[in-house]
Amino acid sequence: AQSVTQLDSHVSVSEGTPVLLRCNYSSSYSPSLFWYVQHPNKGLQLLLKYTSAATLVKGINGFEAEFKKSETSFHLTKPSAHMSDAAEYFCVVSGTDSWGKLQFGAGTQVVVTP
Amino acid sequence: KAGVTQTPRYLIKTRGQQVTLSCSPISGHRSVSWYQQTPGQGLQFLFEYFSETQRNKGNFPGRFSGRQFSNSRSEMNVSTLELGDSALYLCASSSSATGDRSGYTFGSGTRLTVV
Repeated sequence: AQSVTQLDSHVSVSEGTPVLLRCNYSSSYSPSLFWYVQHPNKGLQLLLKYTSAATLVKGINGFEAEFKKSETSFHLTKPSAHMSDAAEYFCVVSGTDSWGKLQFGAGTQVVVTP
Repeated sequence: KAGVTQTPRYLIKTRGQQVTLSCSPISGHRSVSWYQQTPGQGLQFLFEYFSETQRNKGNFPGRFSGRQFSNSRSEMNVSTLELGDSALYLCASSSSATGDRSGYTFGSGTRLTVV
């Protein structure tokens, strides 16, 4: 069985400051991990994915995440927030032969203030 | 190349009716998954199809069904609609048979409102 916990339901940052979204996962085997972003009334866009290669993963729009097996974490960061980063972010885990079944976290709503 | 296309974008139905939603995956993608998103329950997996076969199913009642055609396009059907079926329904496609390594591309969703 696998699960994912997003530790913050809401994060508020000022434009130009760093963003940190925290995610812990639970999996009985080596998982694949993803971060998706959802802007209002839109579908989900893949930011980045970890699939057992490099532990530091770079994604789109300046986001990156680090896979830490010892801490079972996959936190998402960005050095400098932009107004357009305001959205909901989902940490997602998938296992081998999951056959389409992604396990989503509850989501973190990011607010960016000027 | 074109992304995942879901139609229609918005639907309003009456309780007791049935509805069919459509999803056209990215060309060459053979795996199609469906999710229901609601404010209370978040994103929940409905089912997945690969080469016209349902390989996985979530914990939803039998009123929710789906199918996949030979061109990989997929439909999902909800019969005897209930107010609680109001949600954003998202479709995702993958080029991988297992999907977990390549990731999934999502469509913009169909917003279903049941009145």
